[in-house]
Amino acid sequence: DTGVSQDPRHKITKRGQNVTFRCDPISEHNRLYWYRQTLGQGPEFLTYFQNEAQLEKSRLLSDRFSAERPKGSFSTLEIQRTEQGDSAMYLCASSGGQGHAYEQYFGPGTRLTVT
Amino acid sequence: ILNVEQSPQSLHVQEGDSTNFTCSFPSSNFYALHWYRWETAKSPEALFVMTLNGDEKKKGRISATLNTKEGYSYLYIKGSQPEDSATYLCAFIDTGGFKTIFGAGTRLFVKA
Repeated sequence: DTGVSQDPRHKITKRGQNVTFRCDPISEHNRLYWYRQTLGQGPEFLTYFQNEAQLEKSRLLSDRFSAERPKGSFSTLEIQRTEQGDSAMYLCASSGGQGHAYEQYFGPGTRLTVT
Repeated sequence: ILNVEQSPQSLHVQEGDSTNFTCSFPSSNFYALHWYRWETAKSPEALFVMTLNGDEKKKGRISATLNTKEGYSYLYIKGSQPEDSATYLCAFIDTGGFKTIFGAGTRLFVKA
């Protein structure tokens, strides 16, 4: 296993279009996180899955954002009707073990630019 | 609202200097604190996971301490090297849920 992968690495889209990103976690990890990171800031929590269940979703997420993790494996993050303010790096991380103290392993991120 | 503060925002040091950063977090509902190193064009990588008050962890020239009662953690780098140049992030996890709240990071520049 080579770690967490994300696809695509870069996405340029026009305002109003929908985009979907994919994250493949480390295979034995049951927890998966999505974050958004903008310049000069740390990663900002978006949502969390334990297996296929979405257990936490940031109030910062508008109803234009949705995430899924079918079968508890890969996850997708969709942004509908993109806005320029959605331009950011979208990071995925996965974690194993029985508690939340375990370190998270991050993917390389998807950089979204909305024009 | 959970707030995690890191200071300083950036730091410029000479090769060989020792340095330290601070992470402040809520002192209530503590579950764990993580430290990550984030090099440009790479993914964040975990340095330490700390769970107990008084924890001290060490990895090579880098060490960290934890005070959960007063809500702070220090990260120390002894004898900084140019390859230590990166952003150092701390992340707080509370007992109430599953959120991981990151600070904005400390950007370290080590000049040879």
